[in-house]
Amino acid sequence: DSGVTQTPKHLITATGQRVTLRCSPRSGDLSVYWYQQSLDQGLQFLIQYYNGEERAKGNILERFSAQQFPDLHSELNLSSLELGDSALYFCASSAWTGEGEKLFFGSGTQLSVL
Amino acid sequence: AQSVTQLDSQVPVFEEAPVELRCNYSSSVSVYLFWYVQYPNQGLQLLLKYLSGSTLVKSINGFEAEFNKSQTSFHLRKPSVHISDTAEYFCAVSDVGSNTGKLIFGQGTTLQVKP
Repeated sequence: DSGVTQTPKHLITATGQRVTLRCSPRSGDLSVYWYQQSLDQGLQFLIQYYNGEERAKGNILERFSAQQFPDLHSELNLSSLELGDSALYFCASSAWTGEGEKLFFGSGTQLSVL
Repeated sequence: AQSVTQLDSQVPVFEEAPVELRCNYSSSVSVYLFWYVQYPNQGLQLLLKYLSGSTLVKSINGFEAEFNKSQTSFHLRKPSVHISDTAEYFCAVSDVGSNTGKLIFGQGTTLQVKP
């Protein structure tokens, strides 16, 4: 168990809908990363938040948005869903150790768009 | 920009045989290198990493990887695999000079260990 909690584990929805994925980082971790894992694109970095502020942005679509709340949990909002958005969405939190930054991944949310 | 190429999408191997999973990267800046493992229905777990120093790094479960700067490679090896090593393995890089630990992943290699 990494200590990172993602809910829900599975989500089935229809095209055009909007969903929210939630991530609770490990206690004390200030950074949250979102990744998308799909069969055709592989594992792609979407976005990072650090202590409530956006720190880095990757290949995140304009239909997607994220935020990190004062209690450090994060939400990834996906809107106007398309079939191609079906993927496993991972959240990770990070901690700085004596050997640099270490990422801890949650078990993911499997999104199926029908 | 960085990119990572894992040269084999699937590697079937018999139990107790040696295995090598290949990873090459491309980057205009210095990078840190990682191998992550993903067991079925689980998230990614860090297997080992190269930050600096000795180019040969080892994990607690017998895997090792060697950073080769001239060949821009970071191949993962194990001298004798077990059934329990069956999983998907991802090579990744991150930018040394940035203020973010974001990882750029390869496409993954499925290691299938057969009895």
